[in-house]
Amino acid sequence: NAGVTQTPKFRILKIGQSMTLQCTQDMNHNYMYWYRQDPGMGLKLIYYSVGAGITDKGEVPNGYNVSRSTTEDFPLRLELAAPSQTSVYFCATGTSGGTHEQFFGPGTRLTVL
Amino acid sequence: AQSVTQLGSHVSVSEGALVLLRCNYSSSVPPYLFWYVQYPNQGLQLLLKYTTGATLVKGINGFEAEFKKSETSFHLTKPSAHMSDAAEYFCAAEGLSGGSNYKLTFGKGTLLTVNP
Repeated sequence: NAGVTQTPKFRILKIGQSMTLQCTQDMNHNYMYWYRQDPGMGLKLIYYSVGAGITDKGEVPNGYNVSRSTTEDFPLRLELAAPSQTSVYFCATGTSGGTHEQFFGPGTRLTVL
Repeated sequence: AQSVTQLGSHVSVSEGALVLLRCNYSSSVPPYLFWYVQYPNQGLQLLLKYTTGATLVKGINGFEAEFKKSETSFHLTKPSAHMSDAAEYFCAAEGLSGGSNYKLTFGKGTLLTVNP
């Protein structure tokens, strides 16, 4: 099992460009999350999903959009990239029963110039 | 506001010394508590967690943490540091507003350096 995979690993964008960060899981988890990690700031929740077709905003959703059409995929869309979106982005999954543990992907390092 | 505070953004210890990483939470209701570790250029992985039951929890790689409700703390310890413990450690809480909501609030992280 691959677990949680994220593509791309690295990306450089110009201001105003758009892109989609991909996240795929083979763990059959119903919960999925997008976080951003900035140095010295910990992780901030951008969006999350409790199942296919259901998404909700986290702490820092501005400038991002998500969709969840399948259990496996949870892409994160940046429409008009800004330097403030330079960050490392992590996708994570979890289950609604019992463990409360989240499983993290390897991350995507995004730079907006 | 409910939050998770990690005291010390950088902790440096000698190999073989005690590791103590501090975490406090701000909430009127005891949340679920977690410690995650992040090695360079990797994602986070769970070290240990407290949900209910025994307040002293043991995790992987010899780490343990104790939930102290009276002190609103969940400090992480390891009796003897190893070079391979060098990483960033994050304390996180679920349900700071009361009730399980499957969303984590993270502290800002503590970078652990282990000196030979």
